[in-house]
This record gives sequence, C-alpha cells and structure tokens, in this order.
Amino acid sequence: QSALTQPASVSGSPGQSITISCTGTSSDVGSYNLVSWYQQHPGKAPKLMIYEGSKRPSGVSNRFSGSKSGNTASLTISGLQAEDEADYYCCSYAGSSTPWVFGGGTKLTVL
Amino acid sequence: QVQLQESGPGLVKPSQTLSLTCTVSGGSISSGSYYWSWIRQPAGKGLEWIGRIYTSGSTNYNPSLKSRVTISVDTSKNQFSLKLSSVTAADTAVYYCAREKEYYFDYWGQGTLVTVSS
Repeated sequence: QSALTQPASVSGSPGQSITISCTGTSSDVGSYNLVSWYQQHPGKAPKLMIYEGSKRPSGVSNRFSGSKSGNTASLTISGLQAEDEADYYCCSYAGSSTPWVFGGGTKLTVL
Repeated sequence: QVQLQESGPGLVKPSQTLSLTCTVSGGSISSGSYYWSWIRQPAGKGLEWIGRIYTSGSTNYNPSLKSRVTISVDTSKNQFSLKLSSVTAADTAVYYCAREKEYYFDYWGQGTLVTVSS
C-alpha cells in the first residue's frame, strides 16, 4: 500500500482558482469514488472538506469542489482567500482489509 | 457535538510500548455504524493511517505497522486505545484519533505529540 501522490506545493493569488491532484492506482482511487480531502492549518487537526469524491459537508464553502478521472482525484478551490492557505491531504478507500491510504500532502500558498 | 480527546504519555523510551487512549464525548461510541481510527503525523510530514476498530471489536491495521499495533475498545468508558510496541525514533509523531463515518473521517481529536527518546 503506497501513499497517494500529491504535488508538494501549489500557489495562487487571491481570487484565482487552483487545483490539487491526487494520483493513486486501480486498487484505490481508480476502484472507488471514495476520495476525501482534508484541510490542515498549522498545529491543528485536519478538517474534512470533501467526501465521496465531490460532496461537501455542511458548512464547507462551495468554493471547494472535488472530481475524479481514472486513478487521479482533484480538489479545486475557486476564489482563493487568504484563509485557504493550509496543507491539503487526499485520502482514498482501498478495500475492506486495508481501507485507508493518504496522500503526502500539498502546501497551498496564497500569494 | 461529538468530541474526541487523546491522552497518554508524551515521552516513551525506545523499545518500549506507546499507549494512548481516545475518549469520546457527546455521543456513545457504540451507537451508529462507526469505525474508530488512529492516524499519526510525524513533524513536517504527511498523515499515516494506523488502524481502526469497530465497536464489535473487529479491527483493521496498516500492514506496515500490523506486527506492532493493537487497538482495543472499552464501550463502558466510551474509549478506544492504541498500543504500539517496540517503538523507535521513527514513531515520534502527533497521534490523532478520529471517527470514521461511512467512507470519511468526520471528527478528529486535537492530536497528541508522542516523542520516542531515551
């Protein structure tokens, strides 16, 4: 079970849109539409932003959206705001015996 | 509102066993169809899923840690626990407990730093 692959960093200016990719395999991302995305500010616990690929929990801004194509899931943040600056992690279901694999994380910088 | 709180020693000696407990408040650990997970994060690094337990006692573990990990649940205390044996410096991390709802983690503890050092 290998970690999902995310870019180490992405950046964007306020108001712009960015996309963070999360590449897995046919055993995890490719087999299930069960990718979740978490936002983590320094020193804080991760916060659920997207689940089941594209669903937003109550209270999460509609500026956050998720999608998937093949073995790659993506998180898009539109209308970037300063408070979006954080680390973002993807997580995919990978089957009942070893269910969870995380991505290595992406640091988002709002310029 | 469900809350999770990790507790346990912040310093463990190499080769010893790390023991942490997660106390769940705001709801019964036995109610609903939830798994209860442990996840860790070394400083400056990503998240690593350690394992999970269902209230029936059924467990799943990360294969990379399986030989050293035991997760248990005490429904009478609304707690679940992690034991990681034969620790080394590589096990130094912030350890989180989290509730798994269907196919995502919806509630997390604040995390607790465990340092492995003599």
